[in-house]
Amino acid sequence: QVQLVESGGGVVQPGRSLRLSCAASGFTFGSSSMHWVRQAPGKGLEWVAVISYDGSNKYYADSVKGQFTISRDNSKNTLYLQVNSLRAEDTAVYYCAREAYYGTGAYFDYWGQGTLVIVSS
Amino acid sequence: QSVLTQPPSVSAAPGQKVTISCSGSSSNIGNNYVCWYQQLPGTAPNLLIYDNNKRPSGIPDRFSGSKSGTSATLGITGLQTGDEADYYCGTWDSSLSAWVFGGGTKLTVL
Repeated sequence: QVQLVESGGGVVQPGRSLRLSCAASGFTFGSSSMHWVRQAPGKGLEWVAVISYDGSNKYYADSVKGQFTISRDNSKNTLYLQVNSLRAEDTAVYYCAREAYYGTGAYFDYWGQGTLVIVSS
Repeated sequence: QSVLTQPPSVSAAPGQKVTISCSGSSSNIGNNYVCWYQQLPGTAPNLLIYDNNKRPSGIPDRFSGSKSGTSATLGITGLQTGDEADYYCGTWDSSLSAWVFGGGTKLTVL
């Protein structure tokens, strides 16, 4: 069965960096575009970034452009999110999600359980 | 402020029907497919509807989706207390080159 398992979250001081990981299993990872979505405490879902199946295309939310970098290692079935210069407003649960696309609309059919990032001094 | 607009909350009695609206523009809902997610408290979102009106396997037919122009609607019939959750619409925005979500709607089953 499809599994997405995030890791790398924790408590970090403002201005520091973290690398979040999402280990995928149960499907052909190298054939799927992958996304990061975050959710601040008590708030709604905020899309963060997407990377194409081969890593050649990446798109970011305006709120994280220049600060976050999405990448993937298809040989390790792992998605990454490098988060730099962290600010209090980056405090959130970060989810990875698999994109499904079969010629009509794209959607997220599987989500991980999320990893919590708390930015605090 | 979310690109897609949803009502913050809706409520109805058990067994009744409720609809949740999602309003956007030509760059998102108007020219792309819409999906809906249910997020139960403390859990990750779960896909409810994709391609405007299709249900993944395992999602009961009490849940339905529709789209007209730049708006989409999620319908839930035969409400159950277990349906209490936050509901989000989402789609790709071609002008922003970004995925966009609605702000979320909290459903209360009274």
